[in-house]
Amino acid sequence: LAKTTQPISMDSYEGQEVNITCSHNNIATNDYITWYQQFPSQGPRFIIQGYKTKVTNEVASLFIPADRKSSTLSLPRVSLSDTAVYYCLVGDRTGGGADGLTFGKGTHLIIQP
Amino acid sequence: KAGVTQTPRYLIKTRGQQVTLSCSPISGHRSVSWYQQTPGQGLQFLFEYFSETQRNKGNFPGRFSGRQFSNSRSEMNVSTLELGDSALYLCASSFGTGSGGYTFGSGTRLTVV
Repeated sequence: LAKTTQPISMDSYEGQEVNITCSHNNIATNDYITWYQQFPSQGPRFIIQGYKTKVTNEVASLFIPADRKSSTLSLPRVSLSDTAVYYCLVGDRTGGGADGLTFGKGTHLIIQP
Repeated sequence: KAGVTQTPRYLIKTRGQQVTLSCSPISGHRSVSWYQQTPGQGLQFLFEYFSETQRNKGNFPGRFSGRQFSNSRSEMNVSTLELGDSALYLCASSFGTGSGGYTFGSGTRLTVV
């Protein structure tokens, strides 16, 4: 599985747009990029998945450049409830592979009033 | 539809004992995976079951085992508990066909004293 690198933590304010970038230089041709969100003492929650260009759903947007060596999760108009850890994963369409889902340290996003 | 259900929610055991955790996947999901989450190691893959067969396994000692029943429900067992087994154990289900993300349960918080 390709290794991912994300910032350990980020701070922002309510109402702002937050962009979290993930590097995955060794991504394979068949790999998808998947983002999960996790609140304390809960399981991770699937946010969005993409292969190339841009994907948007009701929660977030995912931007993937042509070389696919990085991706950016964009959260529009964040609120306090968006404070969580965000994980970027690369792998098959389940987000994982033979070794399951490989979670790195994730990005701890803190939203302030 | 009902989510992934894990029982019990909290558990306290003594060193040397054994424990069994239960997971009921989303209806129609045939794959169940187990993860261990600790502050030091983060989220780590234990194993995955698909149609009652262990399909993948992480790097954990043989004290950690699991099984899946014909209704896709899964159990995880840890024998000869050690203090270091204290963790949040998460179960995730998916269709297991290589598409779609995983849906996680809220986990079982195991404390070994």
